[in-house]
Amino acid sequence: NAGVTQTPKFQVLKTGQSMTLQCAQDMNHEYMSWYRQDPGMGLRLIHYSVGAGITDQGEVPNGYNVSRSTTEDFPLRLLSAAPSQTSVYFCASSYRLAGHNEQFFGPGTRLTVL
Amino acid sequence: GNSVTQMEGPVTLSEEAFLTINCTYTATGYPSLFWYVQYPGEGLQLLLKATKADDKGSNKGFEATYRKETTSFHLEKGSVQVSDSAVYFCALRTLLTQGGSEKLVFGKGTKLTVNP
Repeated sequence: NAGVTQTPKFQVLKTGQSMTLQCAQDMNHEYMSWYRQDPGMGLRLIHYSVGAGITDQGEVPNGYNVSRSTTEDFPLRLLSAAPSQTSVYFCASSYRLAGHNEQFFGPGTRLTVL
Repeated sequence: GNSVTQMEGPVTLSEEAFLTINCTYTATGYPSLFWYVQYPGEGLQLLLKATKADDKGSNKGFEATYRKETTSFHLEKGSVQVSDSAVYFCALRTLLTQGGSEKLVFGKGTKLTVNP
């Protein structure tokens, strides 16, 4: 199993540009989520999904869109990038959280918005 | 709301020193508690977990005990190695409002550097 994969690893955008961060998992996990990591802030939840066709907002959803058309993929879209979205983005997945299942994290995407 | 507070870093130790990273939490109910580790340039990995009071999680020589009375989950290791250099995150699992789903609430992370 490849686990959780993310592409690209690094990305530089100009303010106002759009892009999609890709996330895929091959563990048949129902639950997938996106976090951003900023210095001194820990990780904050952006959006999450409990299964194909179901998504919802986390703590910091503004400026981001998600969709979940398949179990495997959970892309994160920035429609109009802003410097405040400069961060490291992590995708995570787990079996449907009804207990204490471990979340598996991807290697991250480092995004810089100029 | 639910929150996690862990000691500010960075922490610098010599090899074979004793490590403690403090973590306290605020939560309703009885959350599960976790320590995640992030090695340089990588994503987070689960290090250990505890799901109820007085449980002790352990892995790779690290230990943490779920103390309900002090709302704490301090991470300890008796003898650190250079390879333990990483950022350590304390986290708790909490319920989201919609659909009964859950999320992880993370502390801000503590950077540990171990020198030979």
